[in-house]
Amino acid sequence: DQQVKQNSPSLSVQEGRISILNCDYTNSMFDYFLWYKKYPAEGPTFLISISSIKDKNEDGRFTVFLNKSAKHLSLHIVPSQPGDSAVYFCAASDGNQFYFGTGTSLTVIP
Amino acid sequence: ETGVTQSPTHLIKTRGQQVTLRCSSQSGHNTVSWYQQALGQGPQFIFQYYREEENGRGNFPPRFSGLQFPNYSSELNVNALELDDSALYLCASSKDSNSYEQYFGPGTRLTVT
Repeated sequence: DQQVKQNSPSLSVQEGRISILNCDYTNSMFDYFLWYKKYPAEGPTFLISISSIKDKNEDGRFTVFLNKSAKHLSLHIVPSQPGDSAVYFCAASDGNQFYFGTGTSLTVIP
Repeated sequence: ETGVTQSPTHLIKTRGQQVTLRCSSQSGHNTVSWYQQALGQGPQFIFQYYREEENGRGNFPPRFSGLQFPNYSSELNVNALELDDSALYLCASSKDSNSYEQYFGPGTRLTVT
């Protein structure tokens, strides 16, 4: 049973606009959430994370929002750049292991 | 600082055979986790090794086994290969078993025919 879900397999955004990637989870015991970015033929690269005690974390153009009551996580990229085109995975930890979503392929159109 | 490396890059095996995949962790990291990523799916946790001991296991059968060596490099062994074992196998290293930040290698693409 998939405990972390990314319901949008793909997303296209114009350069300079905002990209919003969404993630839902089912396990209320998750205490830490992460976003990874993956280019073809490379392993996932850590992007940004958030603890369950926070509702927002910012790092430059990337902001992660956590809504615990809705069990929903989102990643905002502003402004989007062509180099952001990649597959984005959200992941959640219950302290024992990480659970990954199926990924969203982001294409930023120049 | 050397990143996480994995070998081989690609591998083709026949059903029923055994395979060993290798991972060298990032310098200064003592924890290695292995993941299986099937086509169109996210990485699924297989197990973690911390200081040469298994430190957590996902929902994978015993024919998936591993080792970690004193230099913290690691092996993933899969016995009695099945067609469904075809996937990208990723290893990730972290500074210790409590660290949330993992650094992934590029993966080994295993095809079972």
